[in-house]
Amino acid sequence: QVQLQEAGPGLVKPSETLSLTCTVSGASISNYYWSWLRQPPGEGLQWLGHLSYNGSPKYNPSLESRVTISLDTSENQVSLHLTSVTPADTAIYFCARAHVPVTGNSPWFDPWGQGTLVTVSS
Amino acid sequence: EIVMTQFPDSLAVSLGERATINCKSSQTIFYRSTDKNHLAWYQRKPGQPPKQLIYWASTRESGVPDRFSGSGSGTNFTLTISSLQAEDVAIYYCQQYYSIPPTFGQGTKVEIK
Repeated sequence: QVQLQEAGPGLVKPSETLSLTCTVSGASISNYYWSWLRQPPGEGLQWLGHLSYNGSPKYNPSLESRVTISLDTSENQVSLHLTSVTPADTAIYFCARAHVPVTGNSPWFDPWGQGTLVTVSS
Repeated sequence: EIVMTQFPDSLAVSLGERATINCKSSQTIFYRSTDKNHLAWYQRKPGQPPKQLIYWASTRESGVPDRFSGSGSGTNFTLTISSLQAEDVAIYYCQQYYSIPPTFGQGTKVEIK
């Protein structure tokens, strides 16, 4: 059974970089696609991007200049870096396994981690 | 970007009764070459992450009770809970994976009447 657990600071100052890790158990990250999503308080779910071990990352065009997703196969972890954060980046951040069909390059998501709340405030 | 719109925003249904949630995409999410609709449904209970229920618009994920069913094609889709149980109280989301970026509906809250 694949399980994911996000970790990172719960508070980040404006203009700084938000960094989170997702530890995966029950599967090797080398064999699948992995994604980060978020949900700001009272708002909808937003996909940030996804990545596979042997593929190029795909990012949400609205965030592409600020977001980086990477894999650490030695630790079986997926990382997220979001630069120049503002209070609008306050959200619950989720990692999830991404299922990318043969047709198209957009995924669905299963399973998801529990999520971690990150607040951007001075 | 494809916009996904769900309706209603919330509904209250008696235990054992049918609940119907609608989802509309701003453009078709049907691939003619594969005859598949690129739509998933998720359930999110309080304090929990989303759980996938359905993909390809109508294929149930393993372990999902058969009272959950998905239907529709093109731009109009429906999630039906045939006989609402207490444990089905949650917010339900549709999501298209036809194009980048994948996008979600705003969610429909299902409660017990």
